[in-house]
Amino acid sequence: EAGVAQSPRYKIIEKRQSVAFWCNPISGHATLYWYQQILGQGPKLLIQFQNNGVVDDSQLPKDRFSAERLKGVDSTLKIQPAKLEDSAVYLCASRDWGASGNTIYFGEGSWLTVV
Amino acid sequence: GIQVEQSPPDLILQEGANSTLRCNFSDSVNNLQWFHQNPWGQLINLFYIPSGTKQNGRLSATTVATERYSLLYISSSQTTDSGVYFCAVGLSGGYNKLIFGAGTRLAVHP
Repeated sequence: EAGVAQSPRYKIIEKRQSVAFWCNPISGHATLYWYQQILGQGPKLLIQFQNNGVVDDSQLPKDRFSAERLKGVDSTLKIQPAKLEDSAVYLCASRDWGASGNTIYFGEGSWLTVV
Repeated sequence: GIQVEQSPPDLILQEGANSTLRCNFSDSVNNLQWFHQNPWGQLINLFYIPSGTKQNGRLSATTVATERYSLLYISSSQTTDSGVYFCAVGLSGGYNKLIFGAGTRLAVHP
C-alpha cells in the first residue's frame, strides 16, 4: 500500500514570497490533516479535512495560510506571504475511519526555510 | 485546551538499557497514540492505545485513562531507537483531532 506522498520535500524562499505544498493521502482515507512542526516542538494541527470539507481550522493563520482538498483526495497548503516564523516542516497525514481506522499515517514532510 | 506533557524531555542511553517514557494529559481522551520520529523526520505510529497495555517486540505501552497518563517502555534499546518519541491524544467527540506533546528526545549510544 502506497503511503502519504508530499511534495516538494524541501523549499527555500524569501520572506513575503508564496509557496504551495501538495499532499496525496493513502487511497480511500477520508480524513486528511496538515500539521506544522517547528524545530524542537511537537506537530501542531493547522487544518483537518473530512472528505472535501473542513472540520477544524482553528489554528490556521487564515490571513496568510489557505488549504483546499478538491474532490476529497489531494490537498494543497499555501502560504502567502511567508514570514520568517513560517520556517518549519509541514506534515500531511491521513486516516481511515473504517474497521482499522485509528491509525494516522504521516508523509515525510515538506521542509520550508524562509530567509 | 487539553495539555499534553511528556517526560523526560531528553534521554541518553547506552545500547541494551531499558527506559520508560511518560505522557500526562489534562482531560479525558478517547484516542492516544505513540509515534517515533526518526532522524529524517518521518513519523511512524507505534501504538494506538487509549487504554490498557499493548506490546510490539521490544516496545510496550500502557495507558491508565482514569489517571490520565500513558507510559512507553523500551527494552534492550538499540541505536536505531534514537529519535523523538511523541504522545498524541484525541479529544472525545467531533472528528478526533490529535494534540501532540513536545516529545522525548532519545539518543542511544553504542
